[in-house]
Amino acid sequence: NAGVTQTPKFQVLKTGQSMTLQCAQDMNHNSMYWYRQDPGMGLRLIYYSASEGTTDKGEVPNGYNVSRLNKREFSLRLESAAPSQTSVYFCASSETGALNQPQHFGDGTRLSIL
Amino acid sequence: LAKTTQPISMDSYEGQEVNITCSHNNIATNDYITWYQQFPSQGPRFIIQGYKTKVTNEVASLFIPADRKSSTLSLPRVSLSDTAVYYCLVGDHNTDKLIFGTGTRLQVFP
Repeated sequence: NAGVTQTPKFQVLKTGQSMTLQCAQDMNHNSMYWYRQDPGMGLRLIYYSASEGTTDKGEVPNGYNVSRLNKREFSLRLESAAPSQTSVYFCASSETGALNQPQHFGDGTRLSIL
Repeated sequence: LAKTTQPISMDSYEGQEVNITCSHNNIATNDYITWYQQFPSQGPRFIIQGYKTKVTNEVASLFIPADRKSSTLSLPRVSLSDTAVYYCLVGDHNTDKLIFGTGTRLQVFP
């Protein structure tokens, strides 16, 4: 009964390095999301995928790319990490992209960029 | 973008009722309002959602006025385990983007 699984749980990068955050869900959900959470800022949507094969920008997409590899997996890539991208990253999924579908979250990836 | 405003923090004692309000001035017309609870080092967890008037489930009630520009999460008889951060989530009317509130940190004391 894993739900949404994120890997890794922690990561430290140097400025300029690249990194892919992985997310997988086992609930057969169509929609998946990537958020970042910073102190005092709540959660901000980076990218989302309403269904397999589609991706759309959220509120803060700059500096990130995503890939909806299949229905289960949605990855987030930082091509050239910057200190401003130090944050906690959460992946979520929902049955559909409609707001009346509750989102199920993973436990986050804590990313520090030096 | 829709601006969602919540109180930064609230304190309560065990057994009291707690009401947390979220103001959302540009909510999407047809979207639901959803509330989440988050404990340290965990992802947010769904609590309740509604479209209008009042919704109640086994853990909370949600009150939404007719203009839908705000919503109030009501936690009856809180316990120490309700200490967490609570977020509202709405859709923005202009962009259809999902917008989380900034969160309310609830501290429950014995």
